[in-house]
Amino acid sequence: NAGVTQTPKFQVLKTGQSMTLQCAQDMNHNSMYWYRQDPGMGLRLIYYSASEGTTDKGEVPNGYNVSRLNKREFSLRLESAAPSQTSVYFCASKEGSVATNEKLFFGSGTQLSVL
Amino acid sequence: ILNVEQSPQSLHVQEGDSTNFTCSFPSSNFYALHWYRWETAKSPEALFVMTLNGDEKKKGRISATLNTKEGYSYLYIKGSQPEDSATYLCASPGSNYQLIWGAGTKLIIKP
Repeated sequence: NAGVTQTPKFQVLKTGQSMTLQCAQDMNHNSMYWYRQDPGMGLRLIYYSASEGTTDKGEVPNGYNVSRLNKREFSLRLESAAPSQTSVYFCASKEGSVATNEKLFFGSGTQLSVL
Repeated sequence: ILNVEQSPQSLHVQEGDSTNFTCSFPSSNFYALHWYRWETAKSPEALFVMTLNGDEKKKGRISATLNTKEGYSYLYIKGSQPEDSATYLCASPGSNYQLIWGAGTKLIIKP
């Protein structure tokens, strides 16, 4: 059982380049999330998806877009990367709706550097 | 946006010693409190999800308590082992049910 699979693990971009972070879960979970983690700060929510075809902004959505094309996959796109987007990105999912008190399952993270 | 605070920021503990650290959160409109363990180069993993005032949960040598009236939770580790070295994260849902995360307590166990 793979759980939450996130790719790539590492990426270096130049300012202005674009890329997509991929996330897939095989647990039939309804809710999926993208977080960023910066030194000395808690995880900050970028976007989330309550179900297939729906997405909502989190705390720090500027500069990002997301797509939830099916129940398994939730991708995060940086259209024009900026140095401020250098961070570790985590995808997560949970079984129920966004309002339930269930634990999150996390991917292994993507370390992104924007030069 | 509510603030979730964790203390201390980092902690060095001798192997075999017991330790504890704190997560504080606004006590009004409390919904739940999550604890996660995050080892370097791995995914954060859930330890506990707590909802009731006075609740106490245990997983092996790790336990947690919850006081929703005063807005804090303690995580205890009994007889620390090198494999306990990790960052421990707590989080609580905000008004839109999305988790607000503390910055974590980095625990280093010295052999």
